[in-house]
Amino acid sequence: DAGVIQSPRHEVTEMGQEVTLRCKPISGHDYLFWYRQTMMRGLELLIYFNNNVPIDDSGMPEDRFSAKMPNASFSTLKIQPSEPRDSAVYFCASSPEDSSYNEQFFGPGTRLTVL
Amino acid sequence: KNEVEQSPQNLTAQEGEFITINCSYSVGISALHWLQQHPGGGIVSLFMLSSGKKKHGRLIATINIQEKHSSLHITASHPRDSAVYICAVAPTSGTYKYIFGTGTRLKVLA
Repeated sequence: DAGVIQSPRHEVTEMGQEVTLRCKPISGHDYLFWYRQTMMRGLELLIYFNNNVPIDDSGMPEDRFSAKMPNASFSTLKIQPSEPRDSAVYFCASSPEDSSYNEQFFGPGTRLTVL
Repeated sequence: KNEVEQSPQNLTAQEGEFITINCSYSVGISALHWLQQHPGGGIVSLFMLSSGKKKHGRLIATINIQEKHSSLHITASHPRDSAVYICAVAPTSGTYKYIFGTGTRLKVLA
């Protein structure tokens, strides 16, 4: 299996622009997680899905952030409008339903820079 | 107080030294994970533990469920071991959310 795939790997944009990050989970995994990592706050869970349904979005910082999972093989995280404080590395991870230990497999991350 | 605490936060060692990174947690867990992140790199799972001890090459991870404590040991450390090591716990509360430690930044000097 190719693992979790994220695109783009790097994104540089200007403040006010819309940014869309993409994730393809490992085939057969029922859980998908979006994380943000910054030097100041470390890894933070933004939202996670089970069977394409958002379960917990309490980590989404504000209304500028939205996430969708239209099918089992694709998810997006959108920021509109973007701000410099959104600059971070965004990770996607997936986990199989039958994992008793909740093991998560991480993608390579998208490094976002908002100027 | 964070639910998952790691120590030390930063660690510099000479090549060949034995290294220990500690993780303490305050919640009930189904498993504890040790993750590794190289500078500018992705996050890789090293170990998943629910009891006892696991070994992979020069890495050893132990967990004491009663004490709510885990350690990650690196024997014969090497500069390529330089990375951030993150402890993450999977709570028994029925959620699939990880609770992360703040990470230990390790630098191994040649």
